Amino acid sequence: GAVVSQHPSWVICKSGTSVKIECRSLDFQATTMFWYRQFPKQSLMLMATSNEGSKATYEQGVEKDKFLINHASLTLSTLTVTSAHPEDSSFYICSALRGIANTEAFFGQGTRLTVV
Amino acid sequence: GDSVTQMEGPVTLSEEAFLTINCTYTATGYPSLFWYVQYPGEGLQLLLKATKADDKGSNKGFEATYRKETTSFHLEKGSVQVSDSAVYFCALSTWNRDDKIIFGKGTRLHILP
Repeated sequence: GAVVSQHPSWVICKSGTSVKIECRSLDFQATTMFWYRQFPKQSLMLMATSNEGSKATYEQGVEKDKFLINHASLTLSTLTVTSAHPEDSSFYICSALRGIANTEAFFGQGTRLTVV
Repeated sequence: GDSVTQMEGPVTLSEEAFLTINCTYTATGYPSLFWYVQYPGEGLQLLLKATKADDKGSNKGFEATYRKETTSFHLEKGSVQVSDSAVYFCALSTWNRDDKIIFGKGTRLHILP
């Protein structure tokens, strides 16, 4: 299957700093990527849909200025958590869509963010 | 709106037991249905999928059939192994309407040796 790489796998940062998470589709081009946040009891929350060359579409309740998403190329989307706080600590997962007629989503391995 | 409901866990079974994880959905139109698996500390992997009614997805001994009449996509495996311990997510996509995947809350599966 196709490969989506997420970096870093885990990161610890101080409160008030910003953290950037990268999501790359390694062997296909993805015009659409998604960012999810996974809470302790497993549920996945869609944060935003990232479209190459345009602004991301955020889900209701997700702060655009706090979770900056950039999809500058067909193989890279980034999520920047700005002015991080301990409550932002979570597992963040990206996915990328491949194909048009037989679309399939591939997921990165996730990033564990801990804000101290 | 579109939604996915799956049985809450954790589900604990002995090795070689029969597994069923129930999943039902609500959607307009004709969604594609998926089961994803998440092993500890990892992202999600596609386990199987079905794109139209009566399709059966299968992989690694797991099966699920797209039942439009009951709006269900139950996951089954005849004989589970310890290595199947993971979190399983049922999901639907509405690619033909908007680019979204909607997930159920996930079911944690523990297999005892």
